[in-house]
Amino acid sequence: NAGVTQTPKFQVLKTGQSMTLQCAQDMNHEYMSWYRQDPGMGLRLIHYSVGAGITDQGEVPNGYNVSRSTTEDFPLRLLSAAPSQTSVYFCASSYGRSNQPQHFGDGTRLSIL
Amino acid sequence: GNSVTQMEGPVTLSEEAFLTINCTYTATGYPSLFWYVQYPGEGLQLLLKATKADDKGSNKGFEATYRKETTSFHLEKGSVQVSDSAVYFCALSDRGNDYKLSFGAGTTVTVRA
Repeated sequence: NAGVTQTPKFQVLKTGQSMTLQCAQDMNHEYMSWYRQDPGMGLRLIHYSVGAGITDQGEVPNGYNVSRSTTEDFPLRLLSAAPSQTSVYFCASSYGRSNQPQHFGDGTRLSIL
Repeated sequence: GNSVTQMEGPVTLSEEAFLTINCTYTATGYPSLFWYVQYPGEGLQLLLKATKADDKGSNKGFEATYRKETTSFHLEKGSVQVSDSAVYFCALSDRGNDYKLSFGAGTTVTVRA
């Protein structure tokens, strides 16, 4: 059982480059989310999706795009990377029913030079 | 909006010591409260949760009680082990929206043998 799989695990980009972080889950979860983790700030919600074809903004959406064409996949796109987007990114998924825990991937460590 | 404040770390303890990590929150309505744990190099895992006032969540020897009157959800463990070394995050969500979490900054705990 793979759970939530994120690729790549590490990436270094130059300012202005574009990049897609991949996230896939094999648990048939309706809900998927992207968070970024920065020192001293915990995790902050970037975008989330409550089902295929439905996405919405979280707390810090600027500079990021998402789409949800299938239940399994929820890629996060950086169209023009900036140094402020240097962070660790986590994808999470859960069932749509209330009180169901979120399952997190192992994270993608992204550095923007 | 929702916010979570947890005690700053790092916290260093000896094996079998008592651990407390303070967490207070600000939220409208009646949020659900969570503690997540992140072991080195891994994603977050749900440690315990509570969904209404006076509920006690417990798991792996950890406990936390939902205190509405003090808006707190402090994490405790009576006797820590080296394997408890990790980063601990307090989090909340609006009732029924468990996929949209607001996290505290995280507390790094190191347990020495």
